[in-house]
Amino acid sequence: KNEVEQSPQNLTAQEGEFITINCSYSVGISALHWLQQHPGGGIVSLFMLSSGKKKHGRLIATINIQEKHSSLHITASHPRDSAVYICAVGETSGSRLTFGEGTQLTVNP
Amino acid sequence: KAGVTQTPRYLIKTRGQQVTLSCSPISGHRSVSWYQQTPGQGLQFLFEYFSETQRNKGNFPGRFSGRQFSNSRSEMNVSTLELGDSALYLCASSWLVAAGANVLTFGAGSRLTVL
Repeated sequence: KNEVEQSPQNLTAQEGEFITINCSYSVGISALHWLQQHPGGGIVSLFMLSSGKKKHGRLIATINIQEKHSSLHITASHPRDSAVYICAVGETSGSRLTFGEGTQLTVNP
Repeated sequence: KAGVTQTPRYLIKTRGQQVTLSCSPISGHRSVSWYQQTPGQGLQFLFEYFSETQRNKGNFPGRFSGRQFSNSRSEMNVSTLELGDSALYLCASSWLVAAGANVLTFGAGSRLTVL
């Protein structure tokens, strides 16, 4: 079993839909990261959180430390949101990141 | 301000050769971490450098090494290349040590193909 599990692996939505991507982890962490990767490889950090909830524009990230679970929500999805979304956890020591397998999101117009 | 710069962006090598990749962090960032991304294994942590010292290392063979210079620029080296080393190599920088506990800024990556 991977230390970081994401679901779903693939997600297709229509423009305007509300999207949720889930991440579960099995280790103690210092922080959890949500990353976005577009075709071509570049990675952008969306959120880093260790408790509660963060919001940036149409994106919302939540984390439940007791349940070892995080969700990334996209409201009013748009075709430009199409990308791979990756959950990563920082080990308790803080240095090493362990990554989930990613969720391929496709938003159709 | 300039982002994280990785060079070269693309390179092709043959088995047995070695390769050196470079990463220039955002000005003022002192931590540089490296990652390997392959279709089979996904993203994996290679190592992190802070103030010219390796702070942590992932589960990779000794053929993978790195260093950091006094200006925080970092290089990673892979010796005796194998076909399985074909991957996208990404670096990221942050202000503080402990890449997992800090907001990271990633470079565009160096795509290595080993023939």
